[in-house]
Amino acid sequence: DIQMTQSPSSLSASVGDRVTITCRPSQSISSFLNWFQQKPGKAPKLLIYAASSLQSGVPSRFRGGGSGTEFTLTISSLQPEDCATYYCQQSYSTPYTFGQGTKLEIE
Amino acid sequence: QVQLVQSGAEVKKPGASVTVSCKTSGYTFTTYAMHWVRQAPGQRLEWMAWINTGNGNTKYSEKFQGRVTITRDTSASTAYMDLSSLRSEDTALYYCAREYYDILTGLMAFDIWGQGTMVTVSS
Repeated sequence: DIQMTQSPSSLSASVGDRVTITCRPSQSISSFLNWFQQKPGKAPKLLIYAASSLQSGVPSRFRGGGSGTEFTLTISSLQPEDCATYYCQQSYSTPYTFGQGTKLEIE
Repeated sequence: QVQLVQSGAEVKKPGASVTVSCKTSGYTFTTYAMHWVRQAPGQRLEWMAWINTGNGNTKYSEKFQGRVTITRDTSASTAYMDLSSLRSEDTALYYCAREYYDILTGLMAFDIWGQGTMVTVSS
Protein backbone atom coordinates (compact mmCIF):
# COMPACT_ATOMS: atom_id res chain seq x y z
CA ASP A 1 0.00 0.00 0.00
CA ILE A 2 1.14 3.56 -0.67
CA GLN A 3 1.62 5.47 2.57
CA MET A 4 0.70 9.16 2.54
CA THR A 5 2.39 11.51 4.99
CA GLN A 6 1.27 15.09 5.49
CA SER A 7 3.08 17.88 7.24
CA PRO A 8 2.44 19.62 9.44
CA SER A 9 -0.25 17.71 11.34
CA SER A 10 -1.64 20.99 12.60
CA LEU A 11 -0.99 24.67 12.16
CA SER A 12 -2.35 27.98 13.25
CA ALA A 13 -2.31 31.06 11.04
CA SER A 14 -3.90 34.47 10.72
CA VAL A 15 -6.41 35.77 8.22
CA GLY A 16 -4.55 36.88 5.12
CA ASP A 17 -1.58 34.59 5.68
CA ARG A 18 -0.19 32.28 3.03
CA VAL A 19 -0.33 28.66 4.17
CA THR A 20 1.31 25.58 2.64
CA ILE A 21 0.63 21.93 3.45
CA THR A 22 2.91 19.19 2.14
CA CYS A 23 2.03 15.62 1.22
CA ARG A 24 4.60 12.93 0.53
CA PRO A 25 3.63 9.51 -0.80
CA SER A 26 5.87 6.52 -0.07
CA GLN A 27 6.42 5.99 -3.81
CA SER A 28 6.03 8.03 -6.95
CA ILE A 29 2.41 8.58 -7.98
CA SER A 30 2.90 10.90 -10.95
CA SER A 31 0.03 13.41 -10.68
CA PHE A 32 -2.51 11.04 -9.14
CA LEU A 33 -3.05 13.23 -6.09
CA ASN A 34 -6.19 14.90 -4.76
CA TRP A 35 -6.82 17.33 -1.91
CA PHE A 36 -9.90 17.49 0.29
CA GLN A 37 -11.21 19.89 2.90
CA GLN A 38 -13.27 18.54 5.77
CA LYS A 39 -15.13 20.65 8.32
CA PRO A 40 -16.46 19.16 11.57
CA GLY A 41 -19.56 17.04 11.05
CA LYS A 42 -19.34 17.34 7.28
CA ALA A 43 -18.25 15.09 4.44
CA PRO A 44 -14.94 15.81 2.74
CA LYS A 45 -15.06 18.30 -0.12
CA LEU A 46 -12.86 17.96 -3.20
CA LEU A 47 -10.62 21.00 -3.66
CA ILE A 48 -7.88 19.93 -6.07
CA TYR A 49 -7.64 16.90 -8.35
CA ALA A 50 -4.81 15.61 -10.52
CA ALA A 51 -2.35 17.47 -8.28
CA SER A 52 -3.08 20.95 -9.60
CA SER A 53 -6.57 21.16 -11.15
CA LEU A 54 -9.01 23.33 -9.21
CA GLN A 55 -12.39 21.71 -8.69
CA SER A 56 -15.33 23.74 -9.98
CA GLY A 57 -16.61 26.24 -7.44
CA VAL A 58 -13.48 26.20 -5.28
CA PRO A 59 -11.95 29.65 -4.65
CA SER A 60 -8.83 30.46 -6.62
CA ARG A 61 -6.84 31.11 -3.44
CA PHE A 62 -6.42 27.31 -3.25
CA ARG A 63 -3.58 25.99 -5.39
CA GLY A 64 -2.09 22.54 -5.73
CA GLY A 65 1.34 21.66 -7.00
CA GLY A 66 3.96 18.97 -7.25
CA SER A 67 4.32 15.54 -8.79
CA GLY A 68 5.96 12.21 -8.07
CA THR A 69 6.75 12.10 -4.38
CA GLU A 70 6.09 15.61 -3.14
CA PHE A 71 2.94 17.69 -3.38
CA THR A 72 1.73 20.93 -1.87
CA LEU A 73 -1.55 22.62 -1.14
CA THR A 74 -1.23 26.38 -0.80
CA ILE A 75 -3.85 28.81 0.42
CA SER A 76 -2.68 32.20 -0.80
CA SER A 77 -4.69 34.42 1.55
CA LEU A 78 -6.26 32.60 4.46
CA GLN A 79 -9.94 33.29 5.15
CA PRO A 80 -11.91 32.48 8.33
CA GLU A 81 -13.97 29.86 6.48
CA ASP A 82 -10.78 27.93 5.66
CA CYS A 83 -10.66 26.60 9.21
CA ALA A 84 -10.84 22.84 8.56
CA THR A 85 -8.85 19.63 8.26
CA TYR A 86 -7.16 19.01 4.92
CA TYR A 87 -6.39 15.58 3.49
CA CYS A 88 -4.35 14.45 0.54
CA GLN A 89 -5.28 11.22 -1.22
CA GLN A 90 -3.55 9.16 -3.88
CA SER A 91 -5.55 7.71 -6.77
CA TYR A 92 -2.58 5.93 -8.37
CA SER A 93 -3.38 2.44 -7.13
CA THR A 94 -5.76 0.61 -4.85
CA PRO A 95 -6.16 0.70 -1.97
CA TYR A 96 -6.54 4.44 -2.45
CA THR A 97 -4.97 5.96 0.64
CA PHE A 98 -5.25 9.25 2.47
CA GLY A 99 -2.87 11.32 4.51
CA GLN A 100 -3.39 11.65 8.23
CA GLY A 101 -4.80 15.14 7.83
CA THR A 102 -3.65 18.67 8.62
CA LYS A 103 -5.80 20.60 11.04
CA LEU A 104 -5.76 24.29 10.18
CA GLU A 105 -6.82 26.80 12.81
CA ILE A 106 -7.30 30.52 12.45
CA GLU A 107 -5.55 32.64 15.08
CA GLN B 1 -28.46 19.15 -8.32
CA VAL B 2 -26.29 16.09 -7.81
CA GLN B 3 -26.95 14.45 -4.46
CA LEU B 4 -25.95 11.30 -2.64
CA VAL B 5 -28.26 10.59 0.31
CA GLN B 6 -27.27 7.83 2.69
CA SER B 7 -29.36 5.80 5.09
CA GLY B 8 -29.52 6.59 8.78
CA ALA B 9 -27.30 5.73 11.71
CA GLU B 10 -27.05 2.12 12.85
CA VAL B 11 -26.17 0.46 16.15
CA LYS B 12 -25.09 -3.16 15.87
CA LYS B 13 -23.77 -5.87 18.16
CA PRO B 14 -20.42 -7.53 17.50
CA GLY B 15 -20.73 -10.29 14.93
CA ALA B 16 -23.74 -8.73 13.23
CA SER B 17 -23.96 -7.28 9.73
CA VAL B 18 -24.96 -3.82 8.52
CA THR B 19 -26.20 -2.46 5.22
CA VAL B 20 -25.74 1.18 4.27
CA SER B 21 -27.52 2.58 1.22
CA CYS B 22 -26.57 5.53 -0.97
CA LYS B 23 -29.39 6.92 -3.10
CA THR B 24 -28.30 9.19 -5.93
CA SER B 25 -30.09 11.88 -7.88
CA GLY B 26 -29.32 14.61 -10.37
CA TYR B 27 -27.19 12.54 -12.76
CA THR B 28 -27.16 9.26 -14.68
CA PHE B 29 -26.30 6.67 -12.04
CA THR B 30 -24.57 4.21 -14.34
CA THR B 31 -22.21 6.83 -15.77
CA TYR B 32 -20.11 7.17 -12.63
CA ALA B 33 -18.49 4.55 -10.42
CA MET B 34 -19.13 4.64 -6.69
CA HIS B 35 -16.68 4.20 -3.83
CA TRP B 36 -17.07 3.60 -0.13
CA VAL B 37 -14.81 5.30 2.38
CA ARG B 38 -14.92 5.17 6.15
CA GLN B 39 -13.58 7.32 8.96
CA ALA B 40 -13.19 5.93 12.46
CA PRO B 41 -13.24 8.48 15.30
CA GLY B 42 -10.07 10.53 15.19
CA GLN B 43 -8.64 8.49 12.33
CA ARG B 44 -7.79 9.23 8.73
CA LEU B 45 -10.14 8.43 5.88
CA GLU B 46 -9.92 4.82 4.69
CA TRP B 47 -10.93 3.52 1.26
CA MET B 48 -12.94 0.31 1.37
CA ALA B 49 -14.33 -0.61 -2.03
CA TRP B 50 -15.46 0.43 -5.50
CA ILE B 51 -18.26 -0.59 -7.84
CA ASN B 52 -18.67 -0.01 -11.54
CA THR B 53 -22.32 1.00 -11.46
CA GLY B 54 -22.71 0.13 -15.14
CA ASN B 55 -21.68 -3.52 -15.12
CA GLY B 56 -21.57 -4.25 -11.39
CA ASN B 57 -17.84 -5.07 -11.27
CA THR B 58 -16.33 -4.52 -7.86
CA LYS B 59 -12.96 -4.15 -6.20
CA TYR B 60 -12.32 -4.39 -2.48
CA SER B 61 -9.53 -3.36 -0.21
CA GLU B 62 -7.69 -6.47 0.98
CA LYS B 63 -8.31 -5.29 4.54
CA PHE B 64 -12.06 -5.83 4.09
CA GLN B 65 -12.00 -8.70 1.60
CA GLY B 66 -14.51 -11.33 2.61
CA ARG B 67 -16.44 -9.01 4.93
CA VAL B 68 -17.62 -6.26 2.59
CA THR B 69 -19.97 -6.53 -0.37
CA ILE B 70 -20.89 -3.65 -2.64
CA THR B 71 -23.97 -3.88 -4.84
CA ARG B 72 -26.17 -1.55 -6.80
CA ASP B 73 -29.76 -1.28 -7.98
CA THR B 74 -29.73 0.66 -11.23
CA SER B 75 -33.53 1.01 -11.28
CA ALA B 76 -33.33 2.80 -7.94
CA SER B 77 -30.07 4.66 -8.68
CA THR B 78 -28.80 3.34 -5.37
CA ALA B 79 -25.59 1.71 -4.19
CA TYR B 80 -25.29 -0.50 -1.12
CA MET B 81 -22.48 -1.47 1.22
CA ASP B 82 -22.80 -4.59 3.36
CA LEU B 83 -20.27 -5.18 6.12
CA SER B 84 -20.40 -8.43 8.06
CA SER B 85 -18.79 -9.90 11.19
CA LEU B 86 -18.78 -6.46 12.76
CA ARG B 87 -16.33 -5.69 15.56
CA SER B 88 -15.82 -2.66 17.73
CA GLU B 89 -13.08 -1.39 15.42
CA ASP B 90 -15.71 -1.02 12.67
CA THR B 91 -17.33 1.83 14.58
CA ALA B 92 -17.00 4.65 12.08
CA LEU B 93 -18.67 7.10 9.76
CA TYR B 94 -19.22 5.44 6.39
CA TYR B 95 -19.37 7.52 3.21
CA CYS B 96 -20.28 6.81 -0.37
CA ALA B 97 -18.40 8.94 -2.87
CA ARG B 98 -18.92 9.35 -6.60
CA GLU B 99 -15.92 8.90 -8.85
CA TYR B 100 -14.97 11.56 -11.36
CA TYR B 101 -12.80 9.92 -14.01
CA ASP B 102 -10.84 11.56 -16.83
CA ILE B 103 -10.69 8.98 -19.61
CA LEU B 104 -7.82 10.81 -21.36
CA THR B 105 -5.44 10.85 -18.40
CA GLY B 106 -6.75 8.03 -16.19
CA LEU B 107 -6.92 10.46 -13.30
CA MET B 108 -9.79 10.09 -10.88
CA ALA B 109 -11.18 11.79 -7.80
CA PHE B 110 -14.10 11.52 -5.43
CA ASP B 111 -16.06 14.57 -6.48
CA ILE B 112 -19.41 14.17 -4.69
CA TRP B 113 -19.89 12.61 -1.25
CA GLY B 114 -22.86 11.40 0.72
CA GLN B 115 -23.53 12.90 4.12
CA GLY B 116 -22.15 9.88 5.93
CA THR B 117 -23.74 7.10 7.97
CA MET B 118 -22.58 6.45 11.52
CA VAL B 119 -22.26 2.78 12.36
CA THR B 120 -21.69 1.98 16.02
CA VAL B 121 -20.67 -1.53 17.05
CA SER B 122 -21.24 -2.16 20.73
CA SER B 123 -22.33 -5.01 22.94
